[in-house]
Amino acid sequence: NAGVTQTPKFRILKIGQSMTLQCTQDMNHNYMYWYRQDPGMGLKLIYYSVGAGITDKGEVPNGYNVSRSTTEDFPLRLELAAPSQTSVYFCASSRVGVNTEAFFGQGTRLTVV
Amino acid sequence: DAKTTQPTSMDCAEGRAANLPCNHSTISGNEYVYWYRQIHSQGPQYIIHGLKNNETNEMASLIITEDRKSSTLILPHATLRDTAVYYCIVLDLYNQGGKLIFGQGTELSVKP
Repeated sequence: NAGVTQTPKFRILKIGQSMTLQCTQDMNHNYMYWYRQDPGMGLKLIYYSVGAGITDKGEVPNGYNVSRSTTEDFPLRLELAAPSQTSVYFCASSRVGVNTEAFFGQGTRLTVV
Repeated sequence: DAKTTQPTSMDCAEGRAANLPCNHSTISGNEYVYWYRQIHSQGPQYIIHGLKNNETNEMASLIITEDRKSSTLILPHATLRDTAVYYCIVLDLYNQGGKLIFGQGTELSVKP
């Protein structure tokens, strides 16, 4: 199993541009998450999904959109990128139950200039 | 609102036990205590979780007080590779599902 795969690993965007961060998992997990982590800070939940077709806002959803058309994929869309969105983005997945363990991707480092 | 309180940073000598405390005084009966760690900006890694009883796995032990208002993660023989930020999270699987909310964590430095 590859686990959780994020692409790209690095990206530089200009202010006002848009992009999609890709996340896919091959563990048949029902839950998927997107987090952002600013330098020296903890992770903040952007959006999460409990299954295909269902998404919900986390702590910091403004400026982002998500979709979950399949169990495997959970892309994060940035519209009109702003410098405040410069961050490292992590995708994660888990199978919710008593033994919930979330698996994280290696992150996408995004810089908006 | 923060559900957990952890010290900002701690040091530990290599080979010694690292004891990382976490306060969760408002924990409810359905909430589990989870621990994750993040090594040098990699994606976080699950360590261990528990509800009431103490738990042990190949990585660590989790000691939860009888009133469940605090817990301690124990790394029995810390190595330099255990230097990381450690996050304590309380999670209600039944009412929150698996929605993991991270706090600031404890930055553990293991020194030679």
